[in-house]
Amino acid sequence: GQNIDQPTEMTATEGAIVQINCTYQTSGFNGLFWYQQHAGEAPTFLSYNVLDGLEEKGRFSSFLSRSKGYSYLLLKELQMKDSASYLCAVRSDYKLSFGAGTTVTVRA
Amino acid sequence: GAVVSQHPSWVICKSGTSVKIECRSLDFQATTMFWYRQFPKQSLMLMATSNEGSKATYEQGVEKDKFLINHASLTLSTLTVTSAHPEDSSFYICSARPDRPNPTETQYFGPGTRLLVL
Repeated sequence: GQNIDQPTEMTATEGAIVQINCTYQTSGFNGLFWYQQHAGEAPTFLSYNVLDGLEEKGRFSSFLSRSKGYSYLLLKELQMKDSASYLCAVRSDYKLSFGAGTTVTVRA
Repeated sequence: GAVVSQHPSWVICKSGTSVKIECRSLDFQATTMFWYRQFPKQSLMLMATSNEGSKATYEQGVEKDKFLINHASLTLSTLTVTSAHPEDSSFYICSARPDRPNPTETQYFGPGTRLLVL
């Protein structure tokens, strides 16, 4: 079975940094994805990690450690529009399994 | 690039009717598309994998006779919810992984279809 854990909620101040952790135990691993989902909308792709290490893309960075079954998404210079749910998803074979999502609230 | 559309975006129907939802990849081709369902404040749950030219693969617990999937071309998959009931009310989202022109590892999601069965 697939088990993907991430915190339910996080709150941070505009301009700050927030780190969202994701731990996983899955049968098979072909990569880890992070998606952003605003309320009532479909997820949008943020990042993809398949090898260990840090992937940086503008204000967003994602880290993966396959041996630890661990990833994090780092959001820098937070903006109000970053308030959303952030979904960690692990691919095994061709299918994605999603965590329950972390709701990030950015306060002024 | 990598745009996926869904139609309709909203459906309200009476119990017992069937509803068809279309998922199209607009600027790429996809042999494989995926259908998810999301209930309020919950994560996405994969319902089935749609394969162009062959039968869909359904996840455990998803009734294939109730959720009919047709992947008629490399840019179109449809999900038909047959004899819909109020418990089928949910947010249905499709995704596609590009094969052509540029294969990628990423699944791109459509905007979703909100179904309300009265």
